[in-house]
Amino acid sequence: QKEVEQDPGPLSVPEGAIVSLNCTYSNSAFQYFMWYRQYSRKGPELLMYTYSSGNKEDGRFTAQVDKSSKYISLFIRDSQPSDSATYLCAMTSTDSWGKLQFGAGTQVVVTP
Amino acid sequence: AAGVIQSPRHLIKEKRETATLKCYPIPRHDTVYWYQQGPGQDPQFLISFYEKMQSDKGSIPDRFSAQQFSDYHSELNMSSLELGDSALYFCASSSRNEQFFGPGTRLTVL
Repeated sequence: QKEVEQDPGPLSVPEGAIVSLNCTYSNSAFQYFMWYRQYSRKGPELLMYTYSSGNKEDGRFTAQVDKSSKYISLFIRDSQPSDSATYLCAMTSTDSWGKLQFGAGTQVVVTP
Repeated sequence: AAGVIQSPRHLIKEKRETATLKCYPIPRHDTVYWYQQGPGQDPQFLISFYEKMQSDKGSIPDRFSAQQFSDYHSELNMSSLELGDSALYFCASSSRNEQFFGPGTRLTVL
């Protein structure tokens, strides 16, 4: 079983809707959590970075971390067709610094 | 803003050949990471370097080696290539916590 679980989708939403993505994990040592966006055949682009539990907002993006439930979320408000991509969660711990563990990625399709 | 540069962007090799992938981190970033992403898979950590020293190692085959040079660029050397080595290879760099990825090198082994 993978340390990080993420539903691969695809997740299809109409333009303007809220996209809700999430990951669960099993390693309680994870403390640093990231969300990346990856377009086909491109490198992952860092969207959000959070440390420990709590919420973080940046423009249309909100990241939430619930360490007690080992559950992280990413919300995208006012979704646009250009948001269509694969979204990967990633996380790491202090004792294995930089060795990111990725989820499988969720494919998101925003339809006009 | 400057990003991570990887070269070449595409590489085609035959089985048992060698390949060298290069990574130029974002200026003032001292840490470099290498990842392998197979078709339809998430990136898998291979190896990382901090201040020119290997800092962590993942599922990197013994046929692969890597190093970071004095100017902080890194090279991933791959020998005795196998068909299964065909993948996207990403380099990422960081100066603190966030990792910024390059565009990747697509390696095809025939």
